[in-house]
Amino acid sequence: DAGVTQSPTHLIKTRGQQVTLRCSPKSGHDTVSWYQQALGQGPQFIFQYYEEEERQRGNFPDRFSGHQFPNYSSELNVNALLLGDSALYLCASSPPGLAGNTDTQYFGPGTRLTVL
Amino acid sequence: RKEVEQDPGPFNVPEGATVAFNCTYSNSASQSFFWYRQDCRKEPKLLMSVYSSGNEDGRFTAQLNRASQYISLLIRDSKLSDSATYLCVVPGPSGGSYIPTFGRGTSLIVHP
Repeated sequence: DAGVTQSPTHLIKTRGQQVTLRCSPKSGHDTVSWYQQALGQGPQFIFQYYEEEERQRGNFPDRFSGHQFPNYSSELNVNALLLGDSALYLCASSPPGLAGNTDTQYFGPGTRLTVL
Repeated sequence: RKEVEQDPGPFNVPEGATVAFNCTYSNSASQSFFWYRQDCRKEPKLLMSVYSSGNEDGRFTAQLNRASQYISLLIRDSKLSDSATYLCVVPGPSGGSYIPTFGRGTSLIVHP
């Protein structure tokens, strides 16, 4: 049973560029949440997708957008990259009916984004 | 005051020692609390959930003090493999659901 997978593992971009990160949830899970973890900090909630719609959003600008596909996989898009967007981007999936429960979410290994 | 605050450490302890971390939170409406463990350059993994006054799992004990708005994590008989960052998570109510708020984490180093 594959857990949460993310791609790519590492990415280097320059300021002003756009990036797309991908996430496949754990088998049987239908909800995907995205987090940003800067060096030395805890993960910060970006948003959560359920039934192909954004259900919850944290305090992130509109440059951060997402999408969920019918197979429950998800993408995180960041436009007009800034140096401060350099971070580990984590995806977490939750099973049906339990998306609101923090203890039922499983994290993927993350994508490390470096903005130069 | 930050929503969730943790002492970043590092806590440097010998094997076999007992160590405790505290985490304070500001949202008094939060009902459940969690400790996650994160190894270097890895993803966070759930360590313990705390829904009432406390929870115990082997060498690990989590306690909740609602009056003072803090939770603690106690690790007894520390092992080298306990070296990691411990993240406190407090879901805050938001529009009928809860948004998990993570602390910055407390670093633990267990040495021989």
